Amino acid sequence: DIVMTQTPLSLSVTPGQPASISCKSSQSLLHSDGKTYLSWYLQRAGQPPQRLIYEVSNRFAGVPDRFRGSGSGTDFTLRISRVEAEDVGVYYCMQSVELPLTFGGGTKVEIK
Amino acid sequence: QVQLVQSGPEVKKPGASLKISCKASGYSFTAYPMHWVRQAPGHGLEWMGLINPIGGSTNFAQKFEGRVTMTRDTSTSTVYMEVSGLTSDDTAVYFCLRDVVDWGQGTMVTVSS
Repeated sequence: DIVMTQTPLSLSVTPGQPASISCKSSQSLLHSDGKTYLSWYLQRAGQPPQRLIYEVSNRFAGVPDRFRGSGSGTDFTLRISRVEAEDVGVYYCMQSVELPLTFGGGTKVEIK
Repeated sequence: QVQLVQSGPEVKKPGASLKISCKASGYSFTAYPMHWVRQAPGHGLEWMGLINPIGGSTNFAQKFEGRVTMTRDTSTSTVYMEVSGLTSDDTAVYFCLRDVVDWGQGTMVTVSS
């Protein structure tokens, strides 16, 4: 199984400041079709996860452009350019290049 | 818009079985696989398996092989997951997930004597 490792475990950010979350995979997420299957989700308290980013850097419809995904191979980053109060929650990365799907352990983002 | 509506919370005794549902709407039901993911209290996300609605084929995480069954009803655009031999470790919120995009609201399952 592909192991997904997220850092940091938690982040406390002043509103308006940037935030960055790292996600590393134990093997490359590049598929033979040329796409890299790494997604990001935000789970607010008491809610299901909601989609943010797919295939490393593509924002789903309706996701603010302050969210940016980047990376390749085994190293990926989610950046929030200016954190807002509504961005509080736990962020998860997930690989879907092969089964079983596996998730990072989560990064909890709080507002200072 | 895509909606995945799951069945309500369940309380079960150890050793019992559980069947939860996920009714899909707003897209072509047979076009995308449906995954099941669970989240134990205070923990992260764990993939359990998937079903391909077009033919009903399934694929499970190794730890759930033999204990989890997934089925679908194309006439109602509903997928079902059945878990047998419940233990307290199965206490969790169970989510259905369309492809890797849309999540159901979750079904809380409590296993307690």
